[in-house]
Amino acid sequence: GENVEQHPSTLSVQEGDSAVIKCTYSDSASNYFPWYKQELGKRPQLIIDIRSNVGEKKDQRIAVTLNKTAKHFSLHITETQPEDSAVYFCAASKDSGGSNYKLTFGKGTLLTVNP
Amino acid sequence: ETGVTQTPRHLVMGMTNKKSLKCEQHLGHNAMYWYKQSAKKPLELMFVYSLEERVENNSVPSRFSPECPNSSHLFLHLHTLQPEDSALYLCASSHEGTQGVGGYTFGSGTRLTVV
Repeated sequence: GENVEQHPSTLSVQEGDSAVIKCTYSDSASNYFPWYKQELGKRPQLIIDIRSNVGEKKDQRIAVTLNKTAKHFSLHITETQPEDSAVYFCAASKDSGGSNYKLTFGKGTLLTVNP
Repeated sequence: ETGVTQTPRHLVMGMTNKKSLKCEQHLGHNAMYWYKQSAKKPLELMFVYSLEERVENNSVPSRFSPECPNSSHLFLHLHTLQPEDSALYLCASSHEGTQGVGGYTFGSGTRLTVV
């Protein structure tokens, strides 16, 4: 089955700096890659996702890049703010229109943004 | 609320007890999931239901028994649990369609402690 590796496990940055979290996946058939943010004591929430027909997607300060050849994808957060502090999870799935839709998650990255 | 409601929020049970976790979604989604979230581990998929039919049982011990009576409700029945089953149990839902899986919407989770 799919295996998703996520690095780093913890990341500490100064407010205003950029943060990058990287994930690799094992199943070349995977084609849907979402990112979730989980604040302390709260539920994971989808913040951005990308499908394999695009290489990059951006939403304000958040961007995700995908390299299908290398089987890795990354989350980029620019101009970080203290409220960005949370655990971030990457995930992958084979998205074939109704089957094989389960998400396999990475272990998570604890991001701390220091004021 | 995001549209996925889990009850109870916290549960403490003895190893000989029987209890049930409940999940309800009002998003019109047609797939529901149970995930287990333990400290320092990735989100572990337990069960997947699509159109009320169980399509995934990820080698979960029989002391966990899911039930999906309709597309809006999902239960996880628990009996004779072990202390290592203590974790946050997250329910999620998504919409399966011709465009493939969308992002999951998670519930707030049930924090289970087995004593």
